[in-house]
Amino acid sequence: RKEVEQDPGPFNVPEGATVAFNCTYSNSASQSFFWYRQDCRKEPKLLMSVYSSGNEDGRFTAQLNRASQYISLLIRDSKLSDSATYLCVVALFTSGTYKYIFGTGTRLKVLA
Amino acid sequence: GAVVSQHPSWVICKSGTSVKIECRSLDFQATTMFWYRQFPKQSLMLMATSNEGSKATYEQGVEKDKFLINHASLTLSTLTVTSAHPEDSSFYICSARGREAPYAYEQYFGPGTRLTVT
Repeated sequence: RKEVEQDPGPFNVPEGATVAFNCTYSNSASQSFFWYRQDCRKEPKLLMSVYSSGNEDGRFTAQLNRASQYISLLIRDSKLSDSATYLCVVALFTSGTYKYIFGTGTRLKVLA
Repeated sequence: GAVVSQHPSWVICKSGTSVKIECRSLDFQATTMFWYRQFPKQSLMLMATSNEGSKATYEQGVEKDKFLINHASLTLSTLTVTSAHPEDSSFYICSARGREAPYAYEQYFGPGTRLTVT
């Protein structure tokens, strides 16, 4: 089983739609959780951290369920510019440092 | 936000040659730097973690004699791909993390280096 699993997609949605991504992780000792966005041939960029209480940043809402070991990202009112690959990232403190474990990413295409 | 640069941004080299990639933190002291590799349509895979002034810790399956990492200062880490082969062609991305707030709370990624070995 992969440490961090995501549906690769692609998710093709019309502008204005609401879309949700899920991610599951296998290590219950994971301590921090993030969603990153990666555009083609570019480095990942932090979209938002994910907190146990859930958090929102504009059109983006992230939630964490530690008991079920899954993380979600909800995007409301999708824009064309939201088209990208969304990476679920889990941080684990091991061997004296925090390591990031990346999911394979979910591709989103927002269509006009 | 914190800035991490990488140089070169892309490189083409012949099989058997060595390539050095630099990763610099421009506005904070990076006590830890990470090197990742990403093949097309795959996720980022951590290759190694380096702490300033000490030897890098390599992930399982990554050859330390092939991928030489040097983290000689708090703002610079280098990755040297020795005797490169076509299968080493990939997107290499570094990230950096500081010791103190706010740079201690996340990894800051460089723009990546695209390596093509012919």
